[in-house]
Amino acid sequence: DVKVTQSSRYLVKRTGEKVFLECVQDMDHENMFWYRQDPGLGLRLIYFSYDVKMKEKGDIPEGYSVSREKKERFSLILESASTNQTSMYLCASSFHRGYGYTFGSGTRLTVV
Amino acid sequence: AQKVTQAQTEISVVEKEDVTLDCVYETRDTTYYLFWYKQPPSGELVFLIRRNSFDEQNEISGRYSWNFQKSTSSFNFTITASQVVDSAVYFCALSGASYNTDKLIFGTGTRLQVFP
Repeated sequence: DVKVTQSSRYLVKRTGEKVFLECVQDMDHENMFWYRQDPGLGLRLIYFSYDVKMKEKGDIPEGYSVSREKKERFSLILESASTNQTSMYLCASSFHRGYGYTFGSGTRLTVV
Repeated sequence: AQKVTQAQTEISVVEKEDVTLDCVYETRDTTYYLFWYKQPPSGELVFLIRRNSFDEQNEISGRYSWNFQKSTSSFNFTITASQVVDSAVYFCALSGASYNTDKLIFGTGTRLQVFP
């Protein structure tokens, strides 16, 4: 089974902190994604990567950056956390475009 | 632009009732893929089905069935004889086949509550 592992289930951070959300997948997938999920808004794409060292902005990249130094790891960075970034963050990977994504369990981030 | 609409925000049923979750999509791509995911209270999204735009056959998997109709741009999901374990948020999603459209776009989800 493909596994996508997110390092933290719950996080509480202070406004202005730099926050790292880590995601690792174990099935050699090329494609990785970060989404945030908010009530009434569904899932919205923040960043994605189709290859190591490659990263592209999704629909809501403002306030975020990403890093993909190794194929299996895709990190989401909040440069200076703000309260409006309190959300559920979901990492996903896929074998190929057009295929379904496998999601991690999510990280519920609260910024106070 | 691509869009997925799940008009039902929340549905409540009693166990053993049948329930249909609606999904309407918009895309200009001729090749595209439709998905349904389940998100139980634990939070992880679980893949249920993938359909490509050239396959309009309905699909049945146990108590689950899906009705894909290109004429109405709909991909509805029916649970027959619902059970308490079906309680979850269900998301419909769409991806196209070109670089600009191949990321999954999700609807806002339908929360299904099944009462005993």
